[in-house]
Amino acid sequence: NAGVTQTPKFRVLKTGQSMTLLCAQDMNHEYMYWYRQDPGMGLRLIHYSVGEGTTAKGEVPDGYNVSRLKKQNFLLGLESAAPSQTSVYFCASSYSGGLIPRYTFGSGTRLTVV
Amino acid sequence: DQQVKQNSPSLSVQEGRISILNCDYTNSMFDYFLWYKKYPAEGPTFLISISSIKDKNEDGRFTVFLNKSAKHLSLHIVPSQPGDSAVYFCAVHTGGFKTIFGAGTRLFVKA
Repeated sequence: NAGVTQTPKFRVLKTGQSMTLLCAQDMNHEYMYWYRQDPGMGLRLIHYSVGEGTTAKGEVPDGYNVSRLKKQNFLLGLESAAPSQTSVYFCASSYSGGLIPRYTFGSGTRLTVV
Repeated sequence: DQQVKQNSPSLSVQEGRISILNCDYTNSMFDYFLWYKKYPAEGPTFLISISSIKDKNEDGRFTVFLNKSAKHLSLHIVPSQPGDSAVYFCAVHTGGFKTIFGAGTRLFVKA
């Protein structure tokens, strides 16, 4: 029972480099999310998706792009990394039914931009 | 401007005693409130929730209390165990697809 898997777990980038973070879930969840966690600021929503082929902006979308070509995968891209994007990134998924969406999170990707 | 505030960055409690984690929110229109627990090097995991039509929800050692007039949420853990040592995030589901998280409180339970 893998749940939500994020790759890679750690990455160091130089300013201006690009990379893609991969999130995969095996629970057949419709909804998927990308959050970043920074000290003292909690989890902030970057982008989310309500189904295959759909994406939408969250609270802090600038500098990131996403794609959901397959239901089970949600990719987060950084086109030109900046030191301000140093953070821990969490992917989450949730069931589309019910009143309260309970998120299943991946274990995170720690990204450092130097 | 944080809509969900956890004003205590950390809390230390003796094993067997009660742990009380607090959370304040700004919008009286919020519908559902959740607590997530996070261990180091892991993602947050859902712990317990409460809807705005209730003022208490209990699940084993964990109880969440909601005071709508004060816009205040609290999580009680009784009795506290060393395995409860983690970061606890308060979260509010605002409708649609948006959940807002607090900054978290790190709980230390001493044996």
